[in-house]
Amino acid sequence: RKEVEQDPGPFNVPEGATVAFNCTYSNSASQSFFWYRQDCRKEPKLLMSVYSSGNEDGRFTAQLNRASQYISLLIRDSKLSDSATYLCVVPYGGFKTIFGAGTRLFVKA
Amino acid sequence: EAQVTQNPRYLITVTGKKLTVTCSQNMNHEYMSWYRQDPGLGLRQIYYSMNVEVTDKGDVPEGYKVSRKEKRNFPLILESPSPNQTSLYFCASRTGGGPGETQYFGPGTRLLVL
Repeated sequence: RKEVEQDPGPFNVPEGATVAFNCTYSNSASQSFFWYRQDCRKEPKLLMSVYSSGNEDGRFTAQLNRASQYISLLIRDSKLSDSATYLCVVPYGGFKTIFGAGTRLFVKA
Repeated sequence: EAQVTQNPRYLITVTGKKLTVTCSQNMNHEYMSWYRQDPGLGLRQIYYSMNVEVTDKGDVPEGYKVSRKEKRNFPLILESPSPNQTSLYFCASRTGGGPGETQYFGPGTRLLVL
């Protein structure tokens, strides 16, 4: 099993749609999790952190399921500007960080 | 402005010609890291540094060297580049508070080794 696994997509959705991505991880000891957004091979930027069961920020909701070892990202009311690659990130130990390969999202008008 | 800078942003070189990619951060972060990104593989950690003179290997360290002589700088050295090191490279930094801290990334360096 890969340490961090994501559905690569692409997800093609119309504006206004709700879309969800999942990410599974193998290290049961991980305590914190992150979703980063990356545009067109530019640098990744933090979207959300998840430390407990979940986190919500406007149209974005991240949830954590420790028993099944996955985190999810839900985007409501999708905008054209949400088109990007979403990276799931799991710290393994103090300084080792594992990135998922990313899920591509295209939001169409 | 808080930032991570990398230079050069684009580099074309030939096999075997030593090169250095510089990385500098102005946030006084203890922790710095280098990643490479390849299609379908995501970002993979090459090396990381917990503080000055303290470095360790990530998942893909072969063919790379790093040094951390000053807190703000963390150069990536390719002693003898090969075509399989053609990639997009990112430097990142964060405070050393723990794995839950946000990482800040540089703009990336696109490297082509012929």
